[in-house]
Amino acid sequence: QKEVEQNSGPLSVPEGAIASLNCTYSDRGSQSFFWYRQYSGKSPELIMFIYSNGDKEDGRFTAQLNKASQYVSLLIRDSQPSDSATYLCAVKGQNFVFGPGTRLSVLP
Amino acid sequence: EPEVTQTPSHQVTQMGQEVILRCVPISNHLYFYWYRQILGQKVEFLVSFYNNEISEKSEIFDDQFSVERPDGSNFTLKIRSTKLEDSAMYFCASLTGTSGYNEQFFGPGTRLTVL
Repeated sequence: QKEVEQNSGPLSVPEGAIASLNCTYSDRGSQSFFWYRQYSGKSPELIMFIYSNGDKEDGRFTAQLNKASQYVSLLIRDSQPSDSATYLCAVKGQNFVFGPGTRLSVLP
Repeated sequence: EPEVTQTPSHQVTQMGQEVILRCVPISNHLYFYWYRQILGQKVEFLVSFYNNEISEKSEIFDDQFSVERPDGSNFTLKIRSTKLEDSAMYFCASLTGTSGYNEQFFGPGTRLTVL
């Protein structure tokens, strides 16, 4: 069974702080890794993807991948109240496997 | 900007009835997916579709489910005899498959309520 694990949260951070979201996966054959944001009642929205070990930055977001540890993370700098949502980690091997999501709350 | 569309946005049906959920993927995309998300739970893969046939399906995708691409644009999910536990959001997604990357774009979803 291919699993993707995330802390369910809620993770609460003050506005302007860095939010750190973590994800582990079980399938060593996974090739690509994605972070989605999902607002309540809405569909997942792709934030970032990463394929290679190391860091990838896009604006306020940085994804980090460590394949040896089977670990992916997402850092959100200068967190805003509008970042409050559930963040889904998804891993693709044969198909996409989603984690349960971490609920982030950014407090004004 | 191109987007995946889904209809209807909300479907209410009686247990045992058939439902068809419709999706229009992004036009140059080659891979199509259906996912389910029960309220408060994670997004679950149902089926992937490529080159007019099913590529992969999950354990959830049993004989009650079927998918079709009846024309060049629509992609449908049929549930033959709905059960109470089929109540969920159903998301369609598509990706190009041609760039070497796997950026998957989701439609807005259909909320299915089985009474």
